[in-house]
Formats: sequence, structure tokens, C-alpha cells
Amino acid sequence: EIVLTQSPGTLSLSPGERATLSCRASQSVSSNFLAWYQQKPGQAPRLLIYDASSRATGIPDRFGGSGSGTDFTLTISRLEPEDFAVYYCQQYGSSPLTFGGGTKVEIK
Amino acid sequence: QVQLVQSGAEVKKPGSSVKVSCKASGSTFRNYAINWMRQAPGQGLEWMGGIIPLFHTSDYAQTFQGRVTITADESTSTAYMELSSLRSEDTAVYFCTTGGPPLAMRAYFDYWGQGTLVTVSS
Repeated sequence: EIVLTQSPGTLSLSPGERATLSCRASQSVSSNFLAWYQQKPGQAPRLLIYDASSRATGIPDRFGGSGSGTDFTLTISRLEPEDFAVYYCQQYGSSPLTFGGGTKVEIK
Repeated sequence: QVQLVQSGAEVKKPGSSVKVSCKASGSTFRNYAINWMRQAPGQGLEWMGGIIPLFHTSDYAQTFQGRVTITADESTSTAYMELSSLRSEDTAVYFCTTGGPPLAMRAYFDYWGQGTLVTVSS
């Protein structure tokens, strides 16, 4: 099983600042099959990025994904008020599918 | 636009079973895997398993082997997740999801149901 470790656990930033979230895998993720999701309280997660760097339909270009192998990054170039939420990475390169523990982006 | 609508909240006794439904619309139901996740209160996401309706092939997380059964009814475009031998630790919101490439069991998830709260309590 691939274990995904997200860091930091919490990121305190102000609107307009840049956010950099990390997701590290315990072994190489096949074909860089890694996705990122945003979740707000009481809501289902929303897909942001798939295949490590492809933006999902309707996702603003301030969200960017990068990385390969075992190290992946989600970058939010300029935080908007609606971006304060919890972010999860997920690998789908091998079974079982696994998620990271999440990074909470909170308003400083 | 794909829409997944799940059945309503459930309260169950320890040792019993629960069956949650997920009705899909707006897509070719049989060609895309339906996967189930759960999220315990204040916790992260956990994959339980999935099914490709066209082939009725399924894959389950080892954690739930023997306790979870995922099925699909193509005639009604509805998937089901049944979890047995419930315990208090199974209290969670259960989500159905779909997305990714056709016929891919392992995929990312574009579309999510609204979630179903299952509470296990004596």
C-alpha cells in the first residue's frame, strides 16, 4: 500500500499569498497517477488536479500541480477567500487507492 | 453533467448491516467505475472499493474485505454499498464517486454524491 504524507498539516496564510502544499509517497506513484481535491466543511471533495498536473474542468488557473515519482506539489498562486479549505492528495496508480491526511489552509 | 444522488441518513445498531444506494444520471453508467469512500467525523478520506458496472468486476480495500459488498444495477443506473457487522468506528459519511477514463477501476473522481451519514450506536 502506498502511504501519502501531506505537509504541512496546517498552512496559515492571507488572501493574495501563495500556497505550496506537499504530498510525498512511500513509493513511486505509477504513471504519476496523483490527484488533488479541495474539501469545504459539510461538502463532498472537489477534484482540482489529476495526472499530477492536469487541471480538472472549470478549475481556475491559479491552481497548479507538479511533481513526479514520490514528490508532488499543489500550488495556489494567489489565495482567494474561497480557497480556504482542506486539501487532499490521492494516488490511483495502484490498489488500494490511498489518500493523504490532508492540509488545512486557513486564514492568517 | 453527471449527477450522483445517494440515499438518506441511517442509524444502525452494532452488529447490523447498512445498504447505501447511489443513483447516477447524465452519463453512460455502465462504462465508468463507481467507487465508495468514507470519512469519519473530523477525519480524512478512506477508499472502500469500487465496481465497473459493465463487467461487474469489483475491487475492495483489504481493510473491508469480507464486510463490504458493492453492486450495480444497470437497469436503474444505481450502485449499492453494503457494509456488515457494523461497529461504532464505522460511523462516518459515505460517498459514492465516479470519473476518470472509461473502464478504469483505479481513477480520479470528478463526480461525488452528496454523502450519506451512517451512525452506528446502541
